[in-house]
Amino acid sequence: DAKTTQPTSMDCAEGRAANLPCNHSTISGNEYVYWYRQIHSQGPQYIIHGLKNNETNEMASLIITEDRKSSTLILPHATLRDTAVYYCIVRVSIPSYTGTASKLTFGTGTRLQVTL
Amino acid sequence: DSGVTQTPKHLITATGQRVTLRCSPRSGDLSVYWYQQSLDQGLQFLIQYYNGEERAKGNILERFSAQQFPDLHSELNLSSLELGDSALYFCASSVGLAGAHHEQYFGPGTRLTVT
Repeated sequence: DAKTTQPTSMDCAEGRAANLPCNHSTISGNEYVYWYRQIHSQGPQYIIHGLKNNETNEMASLIITEDRKSSTLILPHATLRDTAVYYCIVRVSIPSYTGTASKLTFGTGTRLQVTL
Repeated sequence: DSGVTQTPKHLITATGQRVTLRCSPRSGDLSVYWYQQSLDQGLQFLIQYYNGEERAKGNILERFSAQQFPDLHSELNLSSLELGDSALYFCASSVGLAGAHHEQYFGPGTRLTVT
């Protein structure tokens, strides 16, 4: 399994862009990078995923370096409601009895604090 | 609201007891996943079911078991409970069995306290 490394915590002023880095230097060619977040003991929430191209959706942008060894999640205009733990996950597939199954392996994540 | 429901929200029980946690996946989702989140271990994958069949196991204890019923809801059974089983238990669902594009939608969790 490719492992990820994230800073333990980050601060961001409300209205500014929050840039959350993630290192995944052992990622395999067919593994995707996923981002989830967890707001104060709620269930984790899917944000975005990508393989090698940059991706954008209504929540965030994902920038993946050309060598795919690191990525950055960008929240373009952070609000107080974006305060959460952000998890960078490399998607693994594990064999099962009649096909492949896929689990999410969560690390410790980055605790993002958005302040006024 | 993710569309995944879990009951109960909170559960307090004594050591040695048995409890059942229930999960209803989003409409149309065939895969159900169970995760445990404790203070010292973080979020850990326990087990996955797809259309009624077990498909993958993580670090699930032998005292724990799960099943998925024909209506696709799932139950996680925890027996001979120990203090260390106190945790948040999350259920997640996704459309299909595998594939990188099947993001998982998580329920609000069940907080289990073993006293």
